[in-house]
Amino acid sequence: DAGITQSPRHKVTETGTPVTLRCHQTENHRYMYWYRQDPGHGLRLIHYSYGVKDTDKGEVSDGYSVSRSKTEDFLLTLESATSSQTSVYFCAISELGGGETQYFGPGTRLLVL
Amino acid sequence: GENVEQHPSTLSVQEGDSAVIKCTYSDSASNYFPWYKQELGKRPQLIIDIRSNVGEKKDQRIAVTLNKTAKHFSLHITETQPEDSAVYFCAALEMNRDDKIIFGKGTRLHILP
Repeated sequence: DAGITQSPRHKVTETGTPVTLRCHQTENHRYMYWYRQDPGHGLRLIHYSYGVKDTDKGEVSDGYSVSRSKTEDFLLTLESATSSQTSVYFCAISELGGGETQYFGPGTRLLVL
Repeated sequence: GENVEQHPSTLSVQEGDSAVIKCTYSDSASNYFPWYKQELGKRPQLIIDIRSNVGEKKDQRIAVTLNKTAKHFSLHITETQPEDSAVYFCAALEMNRDDKIIFGKGTRLHILP
């Protein structure tokens, strides 16, 4: 597996609390992505980054924000978690974006009560 | 934007038989079509991809075909084995215009003994 880690791997939180998920890579890839995976919906892109401080929205970005202050770290923040954000979150990296292979992290399982 | 439909959502085949998963896409400009495999509890991993300048690509027991006129592409797995049991995702994007891959909802493949 490519050098991608996610933390935490599991988290239980309460509605209304802020949550930050971290993706860390050691591959020096330019592109980083956050997806959520839910039964019946496949993988849906939340936000992605194409460089330090360069980010863009995906198809399900409402309620989420991201930051990338270093090449190796991409943070996903749920400002005020809701039960609908219970999901498995995957980070992915890609060297050049576009038609290049995406390498996924191990995932973070988030439960919002 | 791009929309990817994937069928069937669940597929069961006898070990040794072939399996076919089909996807359609909406954006005629899309030109890159990867397939990802996700084993239970694991991260998605790229297994094969095809670009629009070819109609078919093979890698051992797996192959992908592309029909640009009809805007559909398919994954073929021959001589299925127990380790082929997984969820398979197709995806599409237009290289050089976009960095956001759009995934289908996935197909859960069961290989029956």
